[in-house]
Amino acid sequence: QVQLQESGPGLVKPSQTLSLTCRVSGGSINSGNYYWSWIRQPAGKGLEWIGHIYSSGSAKYNPSLKSRVTILVDTSKTQFSLKLSSVTAADTAIYYCARNSDSSGYRPHFDYWGRGTLVTVSS
Amino acid sequence: QSVLTQPPSASGAPGQRVTIPCSGSSSNIGSNYVYWYQQVPGTAPKLLVYKSDQRPSGVPDRFSGSKSGTSASLAISGLRSEDEADYYCAAWDDSLIGPVFGGGTKLTVL
Repeated sequence: QVQLQESGPGLVKPSQTLSLTCRVSGGSINSGNYYWSWIRQPAGKGLEWIGHIYSSGSAKYNPSLKSRVTILVDTSKTQFSLKLSSVTAADTAIYYCARNSDSSGYRPHFDYWGRGTLVTVSS
Repeated sequence: QSVLTQPPSASGAPGQRVTIPCSGSSSNIGSNYVYWYQQVPGTAPKLLVYKSDQRPSGVPDRFSGSKSGTSASLAISGLRSEDEADYYCAAWDDSLIGPVFGGGTKLTVL
């Protein structure tokens, strides 16, 4: 059974960089055609796709966040990470990591999710 | 403002059938599959329907999805108290070049 677990600081100051890691267990990031994704949800609001990465290191980002986002993968550690720079209060949200099992990565087929981690942007 | 439009709330009595609509455009629902997620408050979303009308293993057949043109819907029959949750539709958007979600519909079981 695949499990994903987010980790990282719960509080980030405005203008700084948010950094989160997602550890994958019960399966390898390298095996299969999966896209490892980040999705966020502000309190009481809907879901927003941030981006995804393939095991090869090829990443794709939400155009609205592209200038501030970097997603990296470390296959040896079976984890992938998210960096979001120049954060503001608008970036306060629950951040989820998820596995997209669509072979093309072009369909939102998120079949495994982490439990989510709340990140608050505040001074 | 979400790219896909859902009503903020829906309700039904136990045992009844309820339908949750999701409206989009030619660049998303009109040309791509629709996915549905169920999110119980305080937990991560769960995949409920994929490729517009397919159910992952373990999802009861009380849940069914359909799509027509630029709209889609999720139907839940034999409503149960444990169905009370938020429901989100999602689809790839060819213009935005990424997946987009609806704003979510909060289902209340009366």
